[in-house]
Parts: sequence; structure tokens; C-alpha cells
Amino acid sequence: GEDVEQSLFLSVREGDSSVINCTYTDSSSTYLYWYKQEPGAGLQLLTYIFSNMDMKQDQRLTVLLNKKDKHLSLRIADTQTGDSAIYFCAESPGFQKLVFGTGTRLLVSP
Amino acid sequence: GAVVSQHPSRVICKSGTSVKIECRSLDFQATTMFWYRQFPKKSLMLMATSNEGSKATYEQGVEKDKFLINHASLTLSTLTVTSAHPEDSSFYICSASPRLAVSSYEQYFGPGTRLTVT
Repeated sequence: GEDVEQSLFLSVREGDSSVINCTYTDSSSTYLYWYKQEPGAGLQLLTYIFSNMDMKQDQRLTVLLNKKDKHLSLRIADTQTGDSAIYFCAESPGFQKLVFGTGTRLLVSP
Repeated sequence: GAVVSQHPSRVICKSGTSVKIECRSLDFQATTMFWYRQFPKKSLMLMATSNEGSKATYEQGVEKDKFLINHASLTLSTLTVTSAHPEDSSFYICSASPRLAVSSYEQYFGPGTRLTVT
């Protein structure tokens, strides 16, 4: 089945690290994704990780993948107020098909 | 590059009327376009996948006669909500995939359309 779960809310202080977690169910996903949605806007692809990788780092973003536990996380270093948004993880159970998680609302306070 | 636009960004319509939402890929040709619906504080739910020149494929539970999708060209797909009701009020987001896309990450999202049915 296809079911992607995330915690609903995360609050951090500016300058701290944020870690957003995600669990997925489809082990056949070739790629796993992180998207950012700002209020009233569409989705912006932040980063993705190939399923045979454990970790991917891209500037302030670090993605960790535990395939055994079907667990994906996104770490944002030195979180800024501009990082406040909703973050969605997504799996891809089929070609071009995306199944999104429930979304985590990140609030960064000064 | 890879910009997707939606029009209108916001629309208010009366119950019983129909409303059309356009999704355009501005700088690439999109063989496939996707329509999602997002409920308040909820995830995006895929409604349908449309391929240029063929009928859309709808996800289970989505009424094809209510949500008409047309993908008449490689840069334009439209979603028409027919006989709209207040429960159709939602945020509708489209995405487009380039002609030679090899993976889901090559899927670019529009800014969304907020539909309110009164």
C-alpha cells in the first residue's frame, strides 16, 4: 500500500537545526523526495535521494534514508525564519507518480 | 527554466456553476500533467494524470464527470469543475513533466488555484 506519515508540527528557534521525519511504506520507490510549500503557493522541490543511498547533503540540507525501517529524514542546519513552511516528503511507487506525506508545518521563531 | 503557471490563482463561484482552471508549462513541453487537490492542513491527493492527446486517468474515488480534464496541447491542461458545490472548495495544484522526463523528480508544480464555492 501507499501511506506516507509525518509529524504535523515542528517549532524551532532561528539558528537551531530542524529535523523533519517521515515514514513510508512502498519499498519499491526509486527516489524519495522533500518538497517545501510556502503559504498559498505550490510545491518547490528541495531535494531528493536515490533509494540506494543512505545520505545526501546539499548545502544546509541533509537527507538520511533508512531503507530497512522505511524512514526518511530532512535536517535543515542553521534554520532561518524564511524556512518556515510546510514540508512534504513523497515516495514514488510508480513512474512519475508521487504519493505525498501529510506534511510537517515548520515554524521558526526569532 | 521549468516554470508552470496556473490561472486563475483564486476564483469564487456560485454553487451549481462550472469553473475552469488552466495549467501551462511556460518553457518546456509537458507530455504529462497531473492534477492534485489539497484540503486545508492536509496532504496533496492526486486526482488524475493527463497525457497530451489522450483521455485522463483518474484516481479511485475521483468523479471523472465532475472533474473534466483536457490536455489538448503539450503546454496546456485544463481542469473544469462542473456543477460546483461548496464541498469542492479546495486548493487545486497542477504539475507538469517534461517530454523526456525519466523520473518523478522532473515534475514541476504550479502555484495552485484556490477555489471557493459559495
